[in-house]
Amino acid sequence: KAGVTQTPRYLIKTRGQQVTLSCSPISGHRSVSWYQQTPGQGLQFLFEYFSETQRNKGNFPGRFSGRQFSNSRSEMNVSTLELGDSALYLCASSLSGNRKNIQYFGAGTRLSVL
Amino acid sequence: EDQVTQSPEALRLQEGESSSLNCSYTVSGLRGLFWYRQDPGKGPEFLFTLYSAGEEKEKERLKATLTKKESFLHITAPKPEDSATYLCAVEDNQGGKLIFGQGTELSVKP
Repeated sequence: KAGVTQTPRYLIKTRGQQVTLSCSPISGHRSVSWYQQTPGQGLQFLFEYFSETQRNKGNFPGRFSGRQFSNSRSEMNVSTLELGDSALYLCASSLSGNRKNIQYFGAGTRLSVL
Repeated sequence: EDQVTQSPEALRLQEGESSSLNCSYTVSGLRGLFWYRQDPGKGPEFLFTLYSAGEEKEKERLKATLTKKESFLHITAPKPEDSATYLCAVEDNQGGKLIFGQGTELSVKP
């Protein structure tokens, strides 16, 4: 069974640009969560989608947004990039996000903002 | 506010030298506590999940335990391939959101 797939693996952007990251969950998984990982802040929750609806949201500015499609694939968008947005962005999928569901992570997208 | 604290930040062991990693947490309504392993340049790899105080899980040289305030990851006779960052996370009442600790970077020397 294929794992969580994130594309692209690496991105280089400049300040002010926008970026879209993609996540394909494990087959049959309907919940997708996004996290930002930096050396200083560690892993921080961005948002969670289930059945195309945002179900939970972390404390990030509105420049960070996402969506989920009917096939459970998800995209995350960051607009007006800032230097501090440089990070590893991780996507995790689980069956339904309910109790006793395990989140499985992809390899991440490494975003560098210059 | 929900919070997870891991200690130590870094741990260096000799091969075969057993030790424990600590994860203390405060959360309003624990749905689950998770341990992940992360290798450089990779995403976190799921190890264990614990749901109630007193629960224990084992996998090869690793054993995870849970109390009402903390969890321990015991590593017995570690090998160099156990070197990685070990992350602890709790899931809050809303579900779908994991709150992570800063991790313990484990290095096992032959």
